[in-house]
Amino acid sequence: AQKVTQAQTEISVVEKEDVTLDCVYETRDTTYYLFWYKQPPSGELVFLIRRNSFDEQNEISGRYSWNFQKSTSSFNFTITASQVVDSAVYFCALLSGNTPLVFGKGTRLSVIA
Amino acid sequence: ETGVTQTPRHLVMGMTNKKSLKCEQHLGHNAMYWYKQSAKKPLELMFVYNFKEQTENNSVPSRFSPECPNSSHLFLHLHTLQPEDSALYLCASSQALGGFGSTQYNIQYFGAGTRLSVL
Repeated sequence: AQKVTQAQTEISVVEKEDVTLDCVYETRDTTYYLFWYKQPPSGELVFLIRRNSFDEQNEISGRYSWNFQKSTSSFNFTITASQVVDSAVYFCALLSGNTPLVFGKGTRLSVIA
Repeated sequence: ETGVTQTPRHLVMGMTNKKSLKCEQHLGHNAMYWYKQSAKKPLELMFVYNFKEQTENNSVPSRFSPECPNSSHLFLHLHTLQPEDSALYLCASSQALGGFGSTQYNIQYFGAGTRLSVL
């Protein structure tokens, strides 16, 4: 069965600090996709990144970076020089087999000015 | 603006009321979804429509009744709800990776949700 674990329920950091959000996934499929979404207080989930299981290259987009490691079944998300606008709930999700997205429980990030 | 619009944004209803949630997507997608997000639970997938056909129903109580008249519109009809149904209801859409009948789904784009309170 597919499963996504985000062990960190809540994280608080001071502005300009770096922060890493952890995501561990479980699947028996060899082909799968991993996602990160951001949910600001307004409610909608905003798509951040999709990564397929055959591409283990790390990705950087501005202050955001993602570290995909199949050996540890992890897809961690790092925000560099955090800002107050980064405060949100972040969800990691897995798409594999014939099931739609499986979400983790989310990590609530609070960035304090 | 994600291209997925949900109305209303907030809804308060009594347990005997009947109401409907509406979702509209302007992205040309062919798959649409309803999710429930409660305060203490992870996102729960409720229904999936692919090319207007329902392909997933995750054991949702019959007091929730979805309707998908076309690929751009999705409704969730509510009747005789319970207080525990109070939650944020999110709609999403995606382009299915395969054709009709495929259950491989692409990136999902979400609306802002309807926050429902059942009194």
